[in-house]
Amino acid sequence: AQSVTQLGSHVSVSEGALVLLRCNYSSSVPPYLFWYVQYPNQGLQLLLKYTSAATLVKGINGFEAEFKKSETSFHLTKPSAHMSDAAEYFCAVRENYGGSQGNLIFGKGTKLSVKP
Amino acid sequence: DTGVSQDPRHKITKRGQNVTFRCDPISEHNRLYWYRQTLGQGPEFLTYFQNEAQLEKSRLLSDRFSAERPKGSFSTLEIQRTEQGDSAMYLCASSLRGQGFYEQYFGPGTRLTVT
Repeated sequence: AQSVTQLGSHVSVSEGALVLLRCNYSSSVPPYLFWYVQYPNQGLQLLLKYTSAATLVKGINGFEAEFKKSETSFHLTKPSAHMSDAAEYFCAVRENYGGSQGNLIFGKGTKLSVKP
Repeated sequence: DTGVSQDPRHKITKRGQNVTFRCDPISEHNRLYWYRQTLGQGPEFLTYFQNEAQLEKSRLLSDRFSAERPKGSFSTLEIQRTEQGDSAMYLCASSLRGQGFYEQYFGPGTRLTVT
């Protein structure tokens, strides 16, 4: 079975500091991986996705993630945090079930706080 | 493109009542997914449709949960005889099969509170 583990339910950084949110996955097949962001009382917005092309994936709002097969990781980074980045971030893997279902399996999320 | 919309945004109901939520996907999207998100957790997959066909429903949490997508457009999720444990955010997402590796677009969710 596939799964996603996000290390750290809460991460706090200062404005301008590096953001690093960790995600490890488990999958018996080459995974499709996603990062989503959720602002309070809103749905999820796709930040970026890995689909077996480039291992370094760039997304919106200056975020990027690197797929490392040897480490089964897909960590999310941003060089310089902005106050508007404060939100909850979810890592997800597309479930490989029945071939083409397409639903996502999510981690528990990491809440990012940005201090002024 | 107006995005995925859900209605209502908030629902408060008493235990034992039935509730129904609606999701309108992005117009050209043929796949529609329902997820449930409880406090402190990531979304959990419930069911999905391709056009009007419900292709996976074994993940619905109990037989009190049902979903429909008549005519392959909007979808409804119904919970009968609600229980306090049903309190959660219910999210809908849509995608276009074959495009974007099933990239899913989420609606704002319906927050259900069962008292």
